[in-house]
Amino acid sequence: EPEVTQTPSHQVTQMGQEVILRCVPISNHLYFYWYRQILGQKVEFLVSFYNNEISEKSEIFDDQFSVERPDGSNFTLKIRSTKLEDSAMYFCASRGSGNTGELFFGEGSRLTVL
Amino acid sequence: RKEVEQDPGPFNVPEGATVAFNCTYSNSASQSFFWYRQDCRKEPKLLMSVYSSGNEDGRFTAQLNRASQYISLLIRDSKLSDSATYLCVVMGVTGGGNKLTFGTGTQLKVEL
Repeated sequence: EPEVTQTPSHQVTQMGQEVILRCVPISNHLYFYWYRQILGQKVEFLVSFYNNEISEKSEIFDDQFSVERPDGSNFTLKIRSTKLEDSAMYFCASRGSGNTGELFFGEGSRLTVL
Repeated sequence: RKEVEQDPGPFNVPEGATVAFNCTYSNSASQSFFWYRQDCRKEPKLLMSVYSSGNEDGRFTAQLNRASQYISLLIRDSKLSDSATYLCVVMGVTGGGNKLTFGTGTQLKVEL
């Protein structure tokens, strides 16, 4: 069964460092998303990406965040200068065409900022 | 008012019980509605879509009331394996993104 894969599964970094989280969405999917979940809190939307550009972003997705789809398969989230409050589980998700709400999530990348 | 609001629980129920979860949403223009399930420290997974006419999938029944902006999920004959957090999810139509907005989730614990 096709799946969304994410790497790394866990990253520990020092405050102020740059982090890149990687995702390989399901191959024929067209819409890509990043969500995050701070421990014990709800799943929060960060950004959606379609047709090689950001289609929507939340207030959380400020200038320290960026996304790229560099090579047609990977979908990356870069956090330029990490803060303590960026510690969370980051989920990548993708979906195919059509007005379906089924997002396929990866297993997540846990980011710990010290 | 929160975009998607749920009672966080936890709901502790004995095996075999029937349990109901409720959810309200604030944006009347929302187009599609879903229940996702999230196991502890795992990714969310689609449980079922919610249709205006109500829909059933085995022991699970979902209902939508657009006038009241209210969604429900009923689980009958609950199993130990139903223990999880149930996320009410609303999709609005945006510029190509179709963002899903998640509620905080309702935690269910099914006990022997």
